[in-house]
Amino acid sequence: EAGVAQSPRYKIIEKRQSVAFWCNPISGHATLYWYQQILGQGPKLLIQFQNNGVVDDSQLPKDRFSAERLKGVDSTLKIQPAKLEDSAVYLCASRTGVASRSEQYFGPGTRLTVT
Amino acid sequence: AQKITQTQPGMFVQEKEAVTLDCTYDTSDQSYGLFWYKQPSSGEMIFLIYQGSYDEQNATEGRYSLNFQKARKSANLVISASQLGDSAMYFCAMREGIPTGGFKTIFGAGTRLFVKA
Repeated sequence: EAGVAQSPRYKIIEKRQSVAFWCNPISGHATLYWYQQILGQGPKLLIQFQNNGVVDDSQLPKDRFSAERLKGVDSTLKIQPAKLEDSAVYLCASRTGVASRSEQYFGPGTRLTVT
Repeated sequence: AQKITQTQPGMFVQEKEAVTLDCTYDTSDQSYGLFWYKQPSSGEMIFLIYQGSYDEQNATEGRYSLNFQKARKSANLVISASQLGDSAMYFCAMREGIPTGGFKTIFGAGTRLFVKA
């Protein structure tokens, strides 16, 4: 079974530029998550989708971050414009079903450096 | 208030010995789940073990076991017979219901484990 795919793996941009990340979850997984992990910290949930609907985006900085999940499969996360404090690893994860017991499967992450 | 607290930023353990990584949580829900993940230096998050709030027995997965003390709201991870490959960051996480439906998973700050040869 293929895992969660993310691209790019690394990205360096200057502040005020825009950037987009892509995630392809495991086939059949209805729930998709985007996390931000700043160096030395645990992952922080940015947005959670159930199929193509948003379940939770309470911690998404909506003035600069946006995300979509078209057709309930792939997802993109965009930052526009980027700030220095956005430097982090952006993790995508997916989960099957709605049972609380099922674990999340994580992608390899995209390491963003904003200079 | 912190939902998940991991008080040990770093831990050292001798190879082949057991080690306990602490985790306390805060929730008013009756139904919730607790997870532990491992994150090696390569960056991927690896699921280790799960404990449901209604599970009567402590979860075990190979060398990993979860010491679940519900009244104290603690869910410590025990790694037996440590191996050099266990050196990594370990994250405790809690999943609880959210008003809009579904579940939300919150991660702690992590504990970095160093296994000494």
